[in-house]
Amino acid sequence: QQQVKQSPQSLIVQKGGISIINCAYENTAFDYFPWYQQFPGKGPALLIAIRPDVSEKKEGRFTISFNKSAKQFSLHIMDSQPGDSATYFCAGLQDTGRRALTFGSGTRLQVQP
Amino acid sequence: DTEVTQTPKHLVMGMTNKKSLKCEQHMGHRAMYWYKQKAKKPPELMFVYSYEKLSINESVPSRFSPECPNSSLLNLHLHALQPEDSALYLCASSQEKGNTEAFFGQGTRLTVV
Repeated sequence: QQQVKQSPQSLIVQKGGISIINCAYENTAFDYFPWYQQFPGKGPALLIAIRPDVSEKKEGRFTISFNKSAKQFSLHIMDSQPGDSATYFCAGLQDTGRRALTFGSGTRLQVQP
Repeated sequence: DTEVTQTPKHLVMGMTNKKSLKCEQHMGHRAMYWYKQKAKKPPELMFVYSYEKLSINESVPSRFSPECPNSSLLNLHLHALQPEDSALYLCASSQEKGNTEAFFGQGTRLTVV
């Protein structure tokens, strides 16, 4: 199956806190897992991505943790800021066959000042 | 230039109208995509063009007709739409089909009345 399950649906975090969004996938052919950030009225923008041969990737305040055996990955936003308030989508991509992004259902993050 | 430009930004059309959405990129990308996004939902793939040839049609109704006149342009022709087709239509491009990073435009907010 191509489904990617994402949770929670919405998240409220205080400024300076850690935001954690989780995703689980079923398609073991996925070999690339990006996270997209979308602000209202804008298109999604690539935030950070990981391949399954790596367990963790960090870029600034954003970290992806990847557990291949559990088929799960998560986004951690450290020191969350009000400007991080957006909708976040995880996705999976396989390099063969369909070769198009399969998105999770999205998480609406609100960071309170 | 890492932009995908979509026009118009907003469109209101009647159910008997014919209109077109336009998408342009100058990054030399050879894969272009149309997605449909309803409120609070992830982008849903409609069509993929690879090297100007239609590669994926996700069983989209024929009232949506894509066209790729050249490697930089992607159109979506609309005819006899229904109110439930109202959504944000996103164009995206990537270097190759299935290539890791997809760049999204800001979308066209379509309202069918």
